[in-house]
Amino acid sequence: EAGVVQSPRYKIIEKKQPVAFWCNPISGHNTLYWYRQNLGQGPELLIRYENEEAVDDSQLPKDRFSAERLKGVDSTLKIQPAELGDSAVYLCASSHGVYGADTEAFFGQGTRLTVV
Amino acid sequence: GEDVEQSLFLSVREGDSSVINCTYTDSSSTYLYWYKQEPGAGLQLLTYIFSNMDMKQDQRLTVLLNKKDKHLSLRIADTQTGDSAIYFCAESITMASKIIFGSGTRLSIRP
Repeated sequence: EAGVVQSPRYKIIEKKQPVAFWCNPISGHNTLYWYRQNLGQGPELLIRYENEEAVDDSQLPKDRFSAERLKGVDSTLKIQPAELGDSAVYLCASSHGVYGADTEAFFGQGTRLTVV
Repeated sequence: GEDVEQSLFLSVREGDSSVINCTYTDSSSTYLYWYKQEPGAGLQLLTYIFSNMDMKQDQRLTVLLNKKDKHLSLRIADTQTGDSAIYFCAESITMASKIIFGSGTRLSIRP
């Protein structure tokens, strides 16, 4: 079974440009997460979806970041415009988050963004 | 508040045991995790423990939890070169809720 698939793996852009990341979760997983991992740090949650509903987006910088999960499957995370401080690895994860039968979150390999 | 702290580096000799320590602050945490991250790879869940347990053993891995002190440790027996990685301690209230990660401990293996 395929794991969480993210693309692209690497992205280099100039500051003030837009950028988008794509995530395909594990089939059947209704919960999807976007985390950001800065260099030398652990991942931090940006947004969590249950199906197509964003249930926790308190850490998402809404002035420049946006996310969507149409039809409750694939998700995209967008930054517009990008700033130098947005350079990080963006990780997508998914889990079969059903009350009373939660499963672990499986992580993709991430997209490494470099803003120059 | 929510915070997870762990030391940044650990160096051990091949064949010895490695012990990575972690402290957390959220007493409502139900799940405590150890993740492994190798260069260029995503996060791999190594093991987890429920907050009502004191110990969990899985082959070469032993997790100890002291809930009173909010202290979690991961022991890797017979450490091998393939164990070189960054190990993240993490916690969450449910498996589906957000996971709070520490900054990671880089484990290096000496021959």
